[in-house]
Amino acid sequence: DVKVTQSSRYLVKRTGEKVFLECVQDMDHENMFWYRQDPGLGLRLIYFSYDVKMKEKGDIPEGYSVSREKKERFSLILESASTNQTSMYLCASSPSEASEQYFGPGTRLTVT
Amino acid sequence: ELKVEQNPLFLSMQEGKNYTIYCNYSTTSDRLYWYRQDPGKSLESLFVLLSNGAVKQEGRLMASLDTKARLSTLHITAAVHDLSATYFCAVDGDSNYQLIWGAGTKLIIKP
Repeated sequence: DVKVTQSSRYLVKRTGEKVFLECVQDMDHENMFWYRQDPGLGLRLIYFSYDVKMKEKGDIPEGYSVSREKKERFSLILESASTNQTSMYLCASSPSEASEQYFGPGTRLTVT
Repeated sequence: ELKVEQNPLFLSMQEGKNYTIYCNYSTTSDRLYWYRQDPGKSLESLFVLLSNGAVKQEGRLMASLDTKARLSTLHITAAVHDLSATYFCAVDGDSNYQLIWGAGTKLIIKP
């Protein structure tokens, strides 16, 4: 079974803090994705990566950066957290171009 | 603009009834994905439809794909409370790595 894990299920941070969300997949997938999900707005893609050290912006990259130093790990970084970044963050991976994505359990981040 | 539209966005139904969720899309994708999300949880893959005319069934759920009409349906037969969830459809985007997502259909099945 494909397994995608995320470092925290729940996280509470203060405005201005630097926040790291980590995602690890154990199936040697090339592609990894970070989404945020907010009520009424569906799934929105923040960034994705198709190879180690390669990244591309999604629909809403502002205020976020990512890092992929190893194939199995994809990190989402909030350089200076703001209250409007309170959300559910979902990581996903897929084994090849345009294929089924497998999701992690999600991290519910609250910024106060 | 690439779009995926789900219909309805909210559905409340009684146990034992049948209903269909529709997913229309504007791309030329041959592949369509259905996911389920329980409240507070992540997304779980339900079906991957890979070609025109594809039909897949699991339990009380059946999904089909008509690429000519750019339409997929998720049919629920004799609904039970455990099927209450939000259902998403998605198709391949222009960039081969991305999926284009529908807004989700929140399904509530009342005993």
